[in-house]
Amino acid sequence: DTEVTQTPKHLVMGMTNKKSLKCEQHMGHRAMYWYKQKAKKPPELMFVYSYEKLSINESVPSRFSPECPNSSLLNLHLHALQPEDSALYLCASSQGAREVYGYTFGSGTRLTVV
Amino acid sequence: QKEVEQNSGPLSVPEGAIASLNCTYSDRVSQSFFWYRQYSGKSPELIMSIYSNGDKEDGRFTAQLNKASQYVSLLIRDSQPSDSATYLCAVYRHTGGSYIPTFGRGTSLIVHP
Repeated sequence: DTEVTQTPKHLVMGMTNKKSLKCEQHMGHRAMYWYKQKAKKPPELMFVYSYEKLSINESVPSRFSPECPNSSLLNLHLHALQPEDSALYLCASSQGAREVYGYTFGSGTRLTVV
Repeated sequence: QKEVEQNSGPLSVPEGAIASLNCTYSDRVSQSFFWYRQYSGKSPELIMSIYSNGDKEDGRFTAQLNKASQYVSLLIRDSQPSDSATYLCAVYRHTGGSYIPTFGRGTSLIVHP
């Protein structure tokens, strides 16, 4: 079992829907991340939450918005998505981001936008 | 030029053989390198890291780093069918106060009985 929990595992949503992806870790890690991965492509960084600061990849559209209620939760709010946003969304955590640490990934949310 | 390059494969090896997976990177200041394994439809899992030139061994896995050639590799000895997966190379760089990895697109490994 992964120590980073993502829900839901699968999500189908229409282009006018609003939904949220949830991610939780209980390892005391100080950094959490959202990645998007399309088939046969590498994971692409969307957001970093590290030491109470949120950093955004400026190429990510505003229809994706992160929320960090506390240091162990990182949610991703989805609104007015496009079919090309269909992908595997991965949450990860690490001990921190000011030094180099490996990631622990959640099992991912397979998102389909119809 | 892509920042992290890997041959997408598939690399096919027989069971018991050594699988050699390669990765090159473009940013000379990169200091930290990780390998992740990703089974089809699953999330990546960390295998090992390497920071210094030379070899680092962990069980059946050996990571090799040559910073002068900007080259990092992963050797898997005594390959098993359960090693069949995509292997992602991750190269860290310091940006905006944080160390963030750039992932290669991965090499698909198939170990056949």
